[in-house]
Amino acid sequence: DMKVTQMPRYLIKRMGENVLLECGQDMSHETMYWYRQDPGLGLQLIYISYDVDSNSEGDIPKGYRVSRKKREHFSLILDSAKTNQTSVYFCASSRTDFNSDYTFGSGTRLLVI
Amino acid sequence: AQKVTQTQTSISVMEKTTVTMDCVYETQDSSYFLFWYKQTASGEIVFLIRQDSYKKENATVGHYSLNFQKPKSSIGLIITATQIEDSAVYFCAMRAMSNYNVLYFGSGTKLTVEP
Repeated sequence: DMKVTQMPRYLIKRMGENVLLECGQDMSHETMYWYRQDPGLGLQLIYISYDVDSNSEGDIPKGYRVSRKKREHFSLILDSAKTNQTSVYFCASSRTDFNSDYTFGSGTRLLVI
Repeated sequence: AQKVTQTQTSISVMEKTTVTMDCVYETQDSSYFLFWYKQTASGEIVFLIRQDSYKKENATVGHYSLNFQKPKSSIGLIITATQIEDSAVYFCAMRAMSNYNVLYFGSGTKLTVEP
């Protein structure tokens, strides 16, 4: 079954704590993404990973970092979480083909208090 | 730079009618792909349909079809015979050759289908 899996689905953290969001895919897609979704703003790209240890900043990378040590796994890390990082985070993956669509995970709803 | 704009924040229609959701895009690229995604109430985001910029024919998948007007940089999503379960948020997105790894999304249109 081709899918992107995100863990956890829901997370509550205190301001200043570190946060780890994990994402896995079973399609051997080279490219993976982290987006955040806020009301009225659609999906904003945080980071993109082209393959293992080949990551690039997206449009809103400040306050985030990523790790990709295996093709099937892509992590988003928030060092010292802030309240304005409360959001829904989506991981996605795709082939490198120009016409490929994305496969999205179910999202992680993060609340920073 | 690429930009995708959906001006309709929300639409409400009666079941079994036809609805069109608007989307305009900006790109300097001559080659690009346009996508529509659906986000359900549970938060799941699924791919619906794609239009290739070099194709003149409008794409159709099931009861989804596109109205591609290239001179107007417009790609409308048409849903015919709407059903209650079509209620969702619909996102338009674009992938252009100059930055082909990235999909740029519009802000979404919330569709409510009423019985």
